[in-house]
Amino acid sequence: DGGITQSPKYLFRKEGQNVTLSCEQNLNHDAMYWYRQDPGQGLRLIYYSQIVNDFQKGDIAEGYSVSREKKESFPLTVTSAQKNPTAFYLCASSNRGNYGYTFGSGTRLTVV
Amino acid sequence: QKEVEQDPGPLSVPEGAIVSLNCTYSNSAFQYFMWYRQYSRKGPELLMYTYSSGNKEDGRFTAQVDKSSKYISLFIRDSQPSDSATYLCAMSGGTGFQKLVFGTGTRLLVSP
Repeated sequence: DGGITQSPKYLFRKEGQNVTLSCEQNLNHDAMYWYRQDPGQGLRLIYYSQIVNDFQKGDIAEGYSVSREKKESFPLTVTSAQKNPTAFYLCASSNRGNYGYTFGSGTRLTVV
Repeated sequence: QKEVEQDPGPLSVPEGAIVSLNCTYSNSAFQYFMWYRQYSRKGPELLMYTYSSGNKEDGRFTAQVDKSSKYISLFIRDSQPSDSATYLCAMSGGTGFQKLVFGTGTRLLVSP
């Protein structure tokens, strides 16, 4: 079945650590996105990529980094510069046009 | 002012009630309108997709778009406890790759 796989489902980070969230899709979608979701704040765009080896900052890119070396993969690194990383992270993908996004099941990151 | 406004709720209704969820928007370029359903700790899933003005029906769900008023609605008939979730509206316009603009989501609680 086609879809988006995010891993891990739960992730714990110590202060000062970098952590990487995985996102893989087998939908042959060109574009991929990372969102952060906090209670009462809706979805906030972190980074997006429309083509391999190219990506753009979203609204809240500070403290995050991404890469897009393969069409299927768009990992997100939460760096130690992100001061409040505890949140629910969602990866999505889409094709050219206005057909909506397909979302993964999310990764819940907690700072301990 | 946000580009898309959505009441966060929660909206509490008894089982069997008709539910009305709404969003307003300010960008007249939006032509594609979507509703996503998100269960707790899960990724959003596309529920309804509508182009331009008019109504679209799918089972117990009806999506309505009034572009003249910049207002979209999602109606749920015969609501069930399993409909309890957060409902996000999303919209886009133009050609090529189009980033979706999301509402903050309305939390719906259907009690048995």
